[in-house]
Amino acid sequence: NAGVMQNPRHLVRRRGQEARLRCSPMKGHSHVYWYRQLPEEGLKFMVYLQKENIIDESGMPKERFSAEFPKEGPSILRIQQVVRGDSAAYFCASSPPWIYGYTFGSGTRLTVV
Amino acid sequence: GIQVEQSPPDLILQEGANSTLRCNFSDSVNNLQWFHQNPWGQLINLFYIPSGTKQNGRLSATTVATERYSLLYISSSQTTDSGVYFCAVPDSGGGADGLTFGKGTHLIIQP
Repeated sequence: NAGVMQNPRHLVRRRGQEARLRCSPMKGHSHVYWYRQLPEEGLKFMVYLQKENIIDESGMPKERFSAEFPKEGPSILRIQQVVRGDSAAYFCASSPPWIYGYTFGSGTRLTVV
Repeated sequence: GIQVEQSPPDLILQEGANSTLRCNFSDSVNNLQWFHQNPWGQLINLFYIPSGTKQNGRLSATTVATERYSLLYISSSQTTDSGVYFCAVPDSGGGADGLTFGKGTHLIIQP
């Protein structure tokens, strides 16, 4: 079992570019969650998805951020027109419906220059 | 939303020492998890412990749900225990849901 796979591990974008972060959940996990961690802070919930559905996006910034979890393929977190304040570590987690198996990926470190 | 507070924020110990980390939460929950973030940034799930006590090697955890706190015990600390320890509870009390994290306890184990 390969675990939760995130790529890329590191991503550098210039201000105004788009960032696409990918997350493949563990086999058998139908729920995907995205979190953001700013330096020296805890993780902040962004969005919770199931296949083809956004269940809870209460933690997503209202503009420039979007997420999807298509029927086939990984979940994608997309950040348009990135700004320096978007620089952070973005973690994806997956779980089966009963949450006991909540597992995190290794994260994507986004740096906006 | 639910509030999660962890203490102490920082802890520096010598190898071999024991430590207790605390997590207080503001509302009833039926799910609480402890995570360790190692110095390379990886998050490892340590315990899923909505109530009672669990042990895994040198680590153990106790949650007293009625009093809204959980404790993580680390015995005979090793340098590899260094990192940040987070507790997290569901945003809405339980089930498959987003988690609210505390700000963590930054633990440094010195040789």
